[in-house]
Amino acid sequence: GIQVEQSPPDLILQEGANSTLRCNFSDSVNNLQWFHQNPWGQLINLFYIPSGTKQNGRLSATTVATERYSLLYISSSQTTDSGVYFCAVDNTNAGKSTFGDGTTLTVKP
Amino acid sequence: GAVVSQHPSRVICKSGTSVKIECRSLDFQATTMFWYRQFPKQSLMLMATSNEGSKATYEQGVEKDKFLINHASLTLSTLTVTSAHPEDSSFYICSAPGQMTTSYNSPLHFGNGTRLTVT
Repeated sequence: GIQVEQSPPDLILQEGANSTLRCNFSDSVNNLQWFHQNPWGQLINLFYIPSGTKQNGRLSATTVATERYSLLYISSSQTTDSGVYFCAVDNTNAGKSTFGDGTTLTVKP
Repeated sequence: GAVVSQHPSRVICKSGTSVKIECRSLDFQATTMFWYRQFPKQSLMLMATSNEGSKATYEQGVEKDKFLINHASLTLSTLTVTSAHPEDSSFYICSAPGQMTTSYNSPLHFGNGTRLTVT
């Protein structure tokens, strides 16, 4: 099956700092999503981005499908950004997504 | 937007009992739903694909007799953990593609998950 690698595994930032999270995948995909899992376990859909670039407020994401990676940018980080960020990809044409191991982000005040 | 509702959010049960978890698509129809399991500090692992009107498809290593899945309508899938044991304690979360006809190129929408504790 497809392999999904996220880096870094852990990231600690001071409030206000910027960060880049990376997701590499081993095969071409038809779906790619970025999620934020909050401390209560809820998965918040950040971006649906199989290719191209999208922005939503302080967050933006870029997927370069031909090179099999995606980046999530967080600018001016806030303590509420803390949590685990997952990249999930689908190459099955059946809607099944494979998750990376996540990046645990801690933003300190 | 597409909303997936999952119930209950938390359940504590005794070893040997069965627990049913419901997953509903509230404002769209889903012929396919997916069930994931997440152990503490780990990623989400796909357990099975729930198919409306037909049998579920289980991932390798997932016991179909242990985790019974029923997709009785276009808006409801249920996961029943039978004869639960402490090692089944986990976070279970369902998802559904946002569009009915083209599940392979639609974003997934997730329920809020069910935290199961078996004592």
